[in-house]
Amino acid sequence: GQQVQQSPASLVLQEGENAELQCNFSSTATQLQWFYQSPGGSLVSLLSNPSGTKHTGRLTSTTVTKERRSSLHISSSQTTDSGTYLCAIDRSNMGYKLTFGTGTSLLVDP
Amino acid sequence: EAAVTQSPRSKVAVTGGKVTLSCHQTNNHDYMYWYRQDTGHGLRLIHYSYVADSTEKGDIPDGYKASRPSQENFSLILELASLSQTAVYFCASSERAETLYFGSGTRLTVL
Repeated sequence: GQQVQQSPASLVLQEGENAELQCNFSSTATQLQWFYQSPGGSLVSLLSNPSGTKHTGRLTSTTVTKERRSSLHISSSQTTDSGTYLCAIDRSNMGYKLTFGTGTSLLVDP
Repeated sequence: EAAVTQSPRSKVAVTGGKVTLSCHQTNNHDYMYWYRQDTGHGLRLIHYSYVADSTEKGDIPDGYKASRPSQENFSLILELASLSQTAVYFCASSERAETLYFGSGTRLTVL
C-alpha cells in the first residue's frame, strides 16, 4: 500500500485564510520533509521536520513520529502560495531514500 | 544558491530508441538522485549515487541505467525507451541527510 498519504488532495482558499495540510505515513521515518512544487513544475524544499514543531516564515510543521503523521500549516495564505505541497519520508534511516506522497494541490484565490 | 542543471528540458523519443538525460550540479554534494513524476504517483526514486563511479538502485530501476562519471555529473539512460517511460524526470543533489536541491525537470515523451 501507499506509504505516504496526503490529505486533502486539493484545497481552495481565499487569500488571507489559513491552510492545514496532512501527511500520514505507514512506516517508520527518521526524516520527514515538506516540498513545494510550483504550477510551472519546479520543486523546492520547504523544511525538514522529523519530529516536533518547526517554523519558517508563515509555515509551521508539526510531526508526531509515534503516530506517523505530520501537518503543514500555512498562515495568511497568498496567491503565490498556490501550487502542490509534497510530503516525503526517508525509509533508509540514512537520509537519502525519500518516498513521496502524491501531494496536496492548493489554490489561493485573490 | 545551489544549482542543479538538467538537459534537455524536454525530449520526444521513439519507442525502442536510446535516451540519455543529463544532470550537472555545482553544489559539491556527494548525493545525486533521479526521480520520475507521474500523475497520481508523486515522485519515485529510480537511481541514486553517493560517490563518483558508483550508482545504486532506487525503488523503480527497471528499464533504466545510471552513470556517475564525476561528482558533478549524473546521467540517466534509457537503452530501449518504452511508452510507459513517458514522464517528467527530476534530478536532485544533497548532502547525506540534508535538503534536496532539484533541477527544473525533463519532460520525456516516448512515441
